Amino acid sequence: EPEVTQTPSHQVTQMGQEVILRCVPISNHLYFYWYRQILGQKVEFLVSFYNNEISEKSEIFDDQFSVERPDGSNFTLKIRSTKLEDSAMYFCASGLAGNNEQFFGPGTRLTVL
Amino acid sequence: GQNIDQPTEMTATEGAIVQINCTYQTSGFNGLFWYQQHAGEAPTFLSYNVLDGLEEKGRFSSFLSRSKGYSYLLLKELQMKDSASYLCAVIFREAGTALIFGKGTTLSVSS
Repeated sequence: EPEVTQTPSHQVTQMGQEVILRCVPISNHLYFYWYRQILGQKVEFLVSFYNNEISEKSEIFDDQFSVERPDGSNFTLKIRSTKLEDSAMYFCASGLAGNNEQFFGPGTRLTVL
Repeated sequence: GQNIDQPTEMTATEGAIVQINCTYQTSGFNGLFWYQQHAGEAPTFLSYNVLDGLEEKGRFSSFLSRSKGYSYLLLKELQMKDSASYLCAVIFREAGTALIFGKGTTLSVSS
């Protein structure tokens, strides 16, 4: 069964450093998403991406964040200058259509020291 | 705001039936999802409701009343492996296709 994959599974970084989180969505899906979940808190929407551009973004997704789909398979989230409060589990998700179920990847646990 | 409310915790015993409620603001509603999340893992899809009524899928059913801004997830014949968080997520038109999640309900199933 096709699945969303994410790398790395864990990332530890120093405050102020740049990180890139990578995702490979399910191959025939058209909608791509990033969500985050701070430990013990709810899943929060960051950004959605369709037709090679950002569709929606939340207030969390400020100028420190960017997304790219550099080729036909990868979807990346970049945090330019990490802060302590960026420590969270970051989930990538993809969907075939806008209002269909979204399939989540296993997540990348980001720890900012 | 796009408030989505669920009980924080519930407990039940094996073999029982449990109902997890979710309420949300009705303005801009465009669909409701239930996801299951085991600790340290990703959410996995359980059900989708966009029209009023009951959707049944094996041991799990989900109900929606759009006029009341209310949904529930019904879990029958509970098993220990059903111990997890159950997340109610709503699509609102003004947020496009983004899932807006509630805080989740942690269900503990005991023998």
